[in-house]
Amino acid sequence: DAKTTQPPSMDCAEGRAANLPCNHSTISGNEYVYWYRQIHSQGPQYIIHGLKNNETNEMASLIITEDRKSSTLILPHATLRDTAVYYCIVRVEGTGGFKTIFGAGTRLFVKA
Amino acid sequence: DAEITQSPRHKITETGRQVTLACHQTWNHNNMFWYRQDLGHGLRLIHYSYGVHDTNKGEVSDGYSVSRSNTEDLPLTLESAASSQTSVYFCASSESAGAAYNEQFFGPGTRLTVL
Repeated sequence: DAKTTQPPSMDCAEGRAANLPCNHSTISGNEYVYWYRQIHSQGPQYIIHGLKNNETNEMASLIITEDRKSSTLILPHATLRDTAVYYCIVRVEGTGGFKTIFGAGTRLFVKA
Repeated sequence: DAEITQSPRHKITETGRQVTLACHQTWNHNNMFWYRQDLGHGLRLIHYSYGVHDTNKGEVSDGYSVSRSNTEDLPLTLESAASSQTSVYFCASSESAGAAYNEQFFGPGTRLTVL
């Protein structure tokens, strides 16, 4: 039921930018794109979200294409601690409101 | 500081037993969610609640139930535990389902083993 498609895994060298792609071709006009990450066996952690415009915070940048059918999460200077599974999520409408569906995510390996 | 906690953190039980996993949040969030995560997979939504006395089924609700008697707690009950329910369970909360943006805050997880 996930409405997003992500590569299963990616590698990145420490200190380099990590660019994680996500396809969400069926996203509706008022739906936000969210990114979370899960380090080892911890609970997922929110990273960033966006609607139409590119967004940046202290953790990452989010680039959303003009047609909103895909986006890219950018970790500008990846560190070993950024090794995690990254989830790109859009909400789906369920009984009583919206709910969040997590797909399998992208496992990012940051290598020294 | 506000937080979300889960208990127990680890549980071993036998097939057929009833098990209840606790989730407690102190943010006064309206929304609460239960997910399960199996080895090598993403999170799958079990049940969710948008407020007191409200509960809704998620993707994998069979064999599970929840009740919401107050804002802070959403216990998850396995009516008759099965080996297929061995998993890590995460609870999460967020402010408002109606809002366009609702960051979810996750608990530390409960690792359940059904023998």
